[in-house]
Amino acid sequence: DSGVTQTPKHLITATGQRVTLRCSPRSGDLSVYWYQQSLDQGLQFLIHYYNGEERAKGNILERFSAQQFPDLHSELNLSSLELGDSALYFCASSVGLPPYEQYFGPGTRLTVT
Amino acid sequence: DAKTTQPNSMESNEEEPVHLPCNHSTISGTDYIHWYRQLPSQGPEYVIHGLTSNVNNRMASLAIAEDRKSSTLILHRATLRDAAVYYCIPNSGNTPLVFGKGTRLSVIA
Repeated sequence: DSGVTQTPKHLITATGQRVTLRCSPRSGDLSVYWYQQSLDQGLQFLIHYYNGEERAKGNILERFSAQQFPDLHSELNLSSLELGDSALYFCASSVGLPPYEQYFGPGTRLTVT
Repeated sequence: DAKTTQPNSMESNEEEPVHLPCNHSTISGTDYIHWYRQLPSQGPEYVIHGLTSNVNNRMASLAIAEDRKSSTLILHRATLRDAAVYYCIPNSGNTPLVFGKGTRLSVIA
């Protein structure tokens, strides 16, 4: 158990809908990262927050947004969902800024039908 | 980001040492070498990282070549639980971690 929690574990929704994925980092960790893992693309970095501020952005679609709240939990919002958004979404946390090691949550499996 | 080359797959017998190689010939002087692994149906798991000298922790050892163009992750006694995809990631901390395809390690009982 990494200490990072993600909810929900599974999510099934229809195209065009909007969902919110939630991540609670390990106690004391200030950095939160979001990744997407699909079969054809592998593990792709989406976005990094540090103590409430956005620090880095990867290939995150404009339909996707994230934020980190004062209690350090983070949410990833996915809107206008498409079939291709079906994937595993992982959240990771680290105590500070890179290159500190990242601890990953168990992931949220999103299925868009 | 430095390009990495890892074998697609490797096989090991249980309780034997495993040496997982990684070539990163374009590594920069400030890049740490990180290793993560991903067990089936789980999120990636940090294994070890180092800069220049060899590193040991409870999970593994990391041997870094003197010219830093390659490194080897050493699992001293493979167990069935070590079957996973292992990712070698050079990274300075100024850019996000880039996970390539990694090496899929199979452990045979």
